[in-house]
Amino acid sequence: GESVGLHLPTLSVQEGDNSIINCAYSNSASDYFIWYKQESGKGPQFIIDIRSNMDKRQGQRVTVLLNKTVKHLSLQIAATQPGDSAVYFCAENGSEKLVFGKGTKLTVNP
Amino acid sequence: DTGVSQNPRHKITKRGQNVTFRCDPISEHNRLYWYRQTLGQGPEFLTYFQNEAQLEKSRLLSDRFSAERPKGSFSTLEIQRTEQGDSAMYLCASSPRHGKLFFGSGTQLSVL
Repeated sequence: GESVGLHLPTLSVQEGDNSIINCAYSNSASDYFIWYKQESGKGPQFIIDIRSNMDKRQGQRVTVLLNKTVKHLSLQIAATQPGDSAVYFCAENGSEKLVFGKGTKLTVNP
Repeated sequence: DTGVSQNPRHKITKRGQNVTFRCDPISEHNRLYWYRQTLGQGPEFLTYFQNEAQLEKSRLLSDRFSAERPKGSFSTLEIQRTEQGDSAMYLCASSPRHGKLFFGSGTQLSVL
């Protein structure tokens, strides 16, 4: 069945360091993946997406890597800032809807 | 602001009461989704509409839940005879097509 999960529930980094958040998915038929950021009391906010015909995609300070062989997705945040503190979710596109993992809580220490 | 709008932001109700939430999607988006999120979990899919047609409902959506999108614009989610287990954040999202969803800020429901 469809499921998306994360390797770590929490991640703590120092301001200015790079952050890497990982995600494993199980549906090999998924062809589209998204990373969302969710701050307390708010809805998920789109960060970056990637289609299955790509291995890497870069945005502003963020990079998503997709390894279809091992069904692994990662989000890299460069020069992490306090404003990056939030819960990050990966989601896969499964049959007309997004399926979300449980999330990783990122804490940025000053 | 032309993002997804949800009302109310917070709702406190007593067990057994009915509640209704409203979602106004981004105007040019024909797809509208409802998700539920409990503390420490990712959003769980409930149902979605393409225009006014409700195309899929999750098994999570018991018969006490009903969603409508009568004119293919705003949507309502009603929960009848609320239970404490219904306490959650109810998120609405819209999309112009299959793919990226734009979420509202959610309605936080507390059932006492």
